[in-house]
Amino acid sequence: DAGVIQSPRHEVTEMGQEVTLRCKPISGHDYLFWYRQTMMRGLELLIYFNNNVPIDDSGMPEDRFSAKMPNASFSTLKIQPSEPRDSAVYFCASSMDSMGNQPQHFGDGTRLSIL
Amino acid sequence: GQQVMQIPQYQHVQEGEDFTTYCNSSTTLSNIQWYKQRPGGHPVFLIQLVKSGEVKKQKRLTFQFGEAKKNSSLHITATQTTDVGTYFCAGPLLIQGAQKLVFGQGTRLTINP
Repeated sequence: DAGVIQSPRHEVTEMGQEVTLRCKPISGHDYLFWYRQTMMRGLELLIYFNNNVPIDDSGMPEDRFSAKMPNASFSTLKIQPSEPRDSAVYFCASSMDSMGNQPQHFGDGTRLSIL
Repeated sequence: GQQVMQIPQYQHVQEGEDFTTYCNSSTTLSNIQWYKQRPGGHPVFLIQLVKSGEVKKQKRLTFQFGEAKKNSSLHITATQTTDVGTYFCAGPLLIQGAQKLVFGQGTRLTINP
């Protein structure tokens, strides 16, 4: 079975530009998570969805960040406008559970650099 | 607030030496999960421990869950260069009224061949 698929793998853009990250979860997983990883802050949960519905977005840094899940096989994380401090690795993960009773399966991540 | 803490943050060993990372929770956990992230890679699930005092082994890796289910450890015997990476523990914690999987900050293991 295919794992979690993310695109693009790398993104370099200038500040102020819109950035869209994409994720396809594992089929049959009802939960999708977006994480951000930096050296300073480690792995941070930004938002998660259950059956395509956003459940908890308390980790989203500010209004410049938005996430959608239009169907069970696709999600996007958008940053508009982007800023240099948004530079990080963004991971998407999926699971059969949100409460930590099942493992999470991570995609390869998107390495984002905002100049 | 509730959190998961890992020590040490970094560990450098000679190849062949043993390595241990420790994970502590501020509250009792229903389970603990361990993940490994290779340099430039993504976290990969290794194992889940559920029972008090549980010990599980995967080849040279030994995982323990404390009797009080508030701490855990990962021990690697005779490290190899393939063990390089960051090891994360994660446990379900109640954050702002909702149970979530919370990751520790990780222990970054480097190995001198």
